[in-house]
Amino acid sequence: AQSVTQLGSHVSVSEGALVLLRCNYSSSVPPYLFWYVQYPNQGLQLLLKYTSAATLVKGINGFEAEFKKSETSFHLTKPSAHMSDAAEYFCAVRHSGGYQKVTFGTGTKLQVIP
Amino acid sequence: DVKVTQSSRYLVKRTGEKVFLECVQDMDHENMFWYRQDPGLGLRLIYFSYDVKMKEKGDIPEGYSVSREKKERFSLILESASTNQTSMYLCASTPRSGDEQFFGPGTRLTVL
Repeated sequence: AQSVTQLGSHVSVSEGALVLLRCNYSSSVPPYLFWYVQYPNQGLQLLLKYTSAATLVKGINGFEAEFKKSETSFHLTKPSAHMSDAAEYFCAVRHSGGYQKVTFGTGTKLQVIP
Repeated sequence: DVKVTQSSRYLVKRTGEKVFLECVQDMDHENMFWYRQDPGLGLRLIYFSYDVKMKEKGDIPEGYSVSREKKERFSLILESASTNQTSMYLCASTPRSGDEQFFGPGTRLTVL
């Protein structure tokens, strides 16, 4: 069964600093992996996705993630944090059984300190 | 612009009441999902539907049922609300061949 683990439920960075949010996956088949973001009082929206094409995936708002099979990781990064990046971020993996079922991680809340 | 709407942003109900949460999407998507979101637990799948009148249990279906009479509408039903069902409920949809899940804004349900 596919699953994801997010390390760190809360991450704080200074404005302008590197953002690194960690996600490790477990999958018996090549995974489809996603990062979603949830701003306060909103639903989730897709940041980026990995679907077995390029291992470095670029998303919206300057975020990117690198798929590393040897480390079973899909960490999310952004070179320079902005105050507007404060949100909760979810890593997710799509199931292989169809119907586009997805399992989400437990989420990481990003705080950006001015 | 794609849109998933949920009937209420905030809802307060009493223990034992029957509760209906409605979700409507305007994208002609085949798949629809209901999740609950709790701090530290992320999103957990309650039920999903891959076609009209079709439904499948997710990871935590106990205490819930669903209805999908029309393609655009997916309802979550709490037959007899309990305090442990106080949570944020999120609806999402995807096309049959797509990857991205499109989410509604959520309904924060409080059961007293």
